[in-house]
Amino acid sequence: GAGVSQSPRYKVAKRGQDVALRCDPISGHVSLFWYQQALGQGPEFLTYFQNEAQLDKSGLPSDRFFAERPEGSVSTLKIQRTQQEDSAVYLCASSFTANYGYTFGSGTRLTVV
Amino acid sequence: DAKTTQPNSMESNEEEPVHLPCNHSTISGTDYIHWYRQLPSQGPEYVIHGLTSNVNNRMASLAIAEDRKSSTLILHRATLRDAAVYYCILPFSGYALNFGKGTSLLVTP
Repeated sequence: GAGVSQSPRYKVAKRGQDVALRCDPISGHVSLFWYQQALGQGPEFLTYFQNEAQLDKSGLPSDRFFAERPEGSVSTLKIQRTQQEDSAVYLCASSFTANYGYTFGSGTRLTVV
Repeated sequence: DAKTTQPNSMESNEEEPVHLPCNHSTISGTDYIHWYRQLPSQGPEYVIHGLTSNVNNRMASLAIAEDRKSSTLILHRATLRDAAVYYCILPFSGYALNFGKGTSLLVTP
């Protein structure tokens, strides 16, 4: 597609439930990033992939957060045992290279109730 | 990590130029200056980036001070569609974007 596609657009999860958020980057983009945006705040870095290799996961807030990109294209962000503080918009971005302008998706809004 | 400072909000009239300032006094010699903007309910959108020289593209111009401690994003003719939060960013680790709070730009007709 022409842009970065994220699904679902909205997700409501009960506290303790596991969720999986999907990102389809622009075809051919080597670099892929995940960001978390809390209400009223700017996005915060979670993790970075170069092809299938996860080169940086320093921003993942806890070991309940896990990201993968097994074939170097589609990526999934998984959150286990969701908590209320996980409620946020999760944004995916991709790029040809790590230090060029990134294209962001519209995000997945996760609400934990 | 180098930090940036931006005004919380700015207001502009439609069809007038807008100058959005950013201070980054702790910038290092290899830090690129990136600008993104975020419209309501959308993901951030890349606007422009530069290192030392002024940069122009179809969306905006980036003016970088000679000492690189500040920069200004210039929208030459604001439209209502330019109303957004504008982020001035110095990527850390060379790639990770620290968005901060940005400047909320209001454009009035």
